[in-house]
Amino acid sequence: DIQMTQSPSSLSASVGDRVTITCQASQDISNYLNWYQQKPGKAPKLLIYDASNLETGVPSRFSGSGSGTDFTFTISSLQPEDIATYYCQQYDNLPPVTFGGGTKVEIK
Amino acid sequence: EVQLVESGGGLVKPGGSLRLSCAASGFTFSSYSMNWVRQAPGKGLEWVSSISSSSSYIYYADSVKGRFTISRDNAKNSLYLQMNSLRAEDTAVYYCARCYGDLYYFDYWGQGTLVTVSS
Repeated sequence: DIQMTQSPSSLSASVGDRVTITCQASQDISNYLNWYQQKPGKAPKLLIYDASNLETGVPSRFSGSGSGTDFTFTISSLQPEDIATYYCQQYDNLPPVTFGGGTKVEIK
Repeated sequence: EVQLVESGGGLVKPGGSLRLSCAASGFTFSSYSMNWVRQAPGKGLEWVSSISSSSSYIYYADSVKGRFTISRDNAKNSLYLQMNSLRAEDTAVYYCARCYGDLYYFDYWGQGTLVTVSS
């Protein structure tokens, strides 16, 4: 199975800061990598699909990049409403679909 | 508007069974692969099972293989998860999630239903 290593597991940043989260796959997954946002008590929400494509309606301050084994998720200017846990997810070579361990983003 | 509404969660004893349902509306259910994803209290997301639009392809996580059965009824716009031989480690919120067509990114999710396995 493909393992997804996400880092950091948590971070604290100020409003307006640039925030970067990384996700590393245990083997080449091409661009089959998605990013989700989950707020407390809510279902996850798709933000980025296929490594770099912004889901419809998602603010442009969110972006993703990478291919192969190394991927990056960026919030260009952190807003108070971005407080959440973010997960990467791969879907190459199913099954299984696997998620990263999550990154909890807090406001400093 | 796409809606996914799970039901059927509750408290069950170890070794017991439970059947979850997910009622879909606002899209052509029969055209989409569907999934169950769970989240244990305070933990991350874990994919559980997937079923293709016509039920031709079914996948399970190793942790539930042989105990859980996914199914769907396209005439009723419904997805199901039959859970048998439940264990304490199956305690989680269970979400149903829609694939984008047959691609495994999950563009719509239900609100989740809590399953608690405890004596």
